[in-house]
Amino acid sequence: DSGVTQTPKHLITATGQRVTLRCSPRSGDLSVYWYQQSLDQGLQFLIQYYNGEERAKGNILERFSAQQFPDLHSELNLSSLELGDSALYFCASSVASRRGRIEKLFFGSGTQLSVL
Amino acid sequence: DQQVKQNSPSLSVQEGRISILNCDYTNSMFDYFLWYKKYPAEGPTFLISISSIKDKNEDGRFTVFLNKSAKHLSLHIVPSQPGDSAVYFCAASFMNRDDKIIFGKGTRLHILP
Repeated sequence: DSGVTQTPKHLITATGQRVTLRCSPRSGDLSVYWYQQSLDQGLQFLIQYYNGEERAKGNILERFSAQQFPDLHSELNLSSLELGDSALYFCASSVASRRGRIEKLFFGSGTQLSVL
Repeated sequence: DQQVKQNSPSLSVQEGRISILNCDYTNSMFDYFLWYKKYPAEGPTFLISISSIKDKNEDGRFTVFLNKSAKHLSLHIVPSQPGDSAVYFCAASFMNRDDKIIFGKGTRLHILP
């Protein structure tokens, strides 16, 4: 058990809908990362938050947004869903970091999103 | 543009033999490399890492080799065991940047009995 909790584990929805994925990081970890894994893609970095503030953006669509709350849990909001958004979405957390190197990410077990 | 490339989608190895998983990267600014292992229905878990100041790091059955001039790293598993069957992701990051780790597409390793 990595200590990172993601809910829900599975989500089935229709095109055009909006969903929210939730992540609770490991106790003490201030950084939260979101990754997307599609069928033939690796882990695509979406966005990172550190202690409530957005730290970095990757290949995140404008239809997607995220936030990190004061209790450090994070939510990834996906709107106007398309068939191609079907993927496994992972949340990860790491030990508190200012501008040092990430040495480890601890991943949750993911949310499988199916857009029909 | 795929900055971290794992060109073999899958690999089958006999139990007890050596498994060698390869990874290439394009950005010479990467200075820290990691391998993650993923079982079905689970998130990736950290396996082993190496800094660019080293060319080898060993942890039990797992050894990672780094060839900076070729921008290539490899993960050796000796001896291979059935529990090693999983997807292995190569990843890279930059010095003094904690914003992201860039992953390859992964290699699925099958350990044959």
